[in-house]
Amino acid sequence: DAKTTQPTSMDCAEGRAANLPCNHSTISGNEYVYWYRQIHSQGPQYIIHGLKNNETNEMASLIITEDRKSSTLILPHATLRDTAVYYCIVRTDSWGKLQFGAGTQVVVTP
Amino acid sequence: EAGVAQSPRYKIIEKRQSVAFWCNPISGHATLYWYQQILGQGPKLLIQFQNNGVVDDSQLPKDRFSAERLKGVDSTLKIQPAKLEDSAVYLCASSYGAGGYSGNTIYFGEGSWLTVV
Repeated sequence: DAKTTQPTSMDCAEGRAANLPCNHSTISGNEYVYWYRQIHSQGPQYIIHGLKNNETNEMASLIITEDRKSSTLILPHATLRDTAVYYCIVRTDSWGKLQFGAGTQVVVTP
Repeated sequence: EAGVAQSPRYKIIEKRQSVAFWCNPISGHATLYWYQQILGQGPKLLIQFQNNGVVDDSQLPKDRFSAERLKGVDSTLKIQPAKLEDSAVYLCASSYGAGGYSGNTIYFGEGSWLTVV
């Protein structure tokens, strides 16, 4: 199964862009990159996903490198409510389960 | 659109007792997942249903955990007898389809918090 590597933690100033890196060097050509986040005491929340092209929605942007071995989640204007654990996940098998790692603890400070 | 509903939200039981958690997925979602999340770790998949059939239960401790989805909608996860190490959040999730390659988004409920004392 394709594994992901993320930094354990990162800080971000409120109002600034937060860039969260993820490495997935063993990803297969038809596997998607998903991002979820989990705010304390809540269930994981879907953010965005992509295959090859960059993607943007109302929450974030996803930049995938051309060789697909890494990606970056961008929160354009971080707020205090964006403090959470962010998970980068490669959706690996034909039955579509998500296999979570430890994620990145993001703390947004005033 | 209503999200994934779970109950109870919190439960405290003594070791060796039993407990059951209930999940109602998003309407029309054929695929249902149960995850276990121990404090400080990412969620771990316990079991995945496609309609009322099990497609993956490789990480379910079958000597004490059981799950069913009899009519392909609601699901129940049971633990009997509970151990101290079962203290965790039990998350239910659902998606429209099962295909990982089709971009089907998986949506999670708020979770059921279990403390075994």
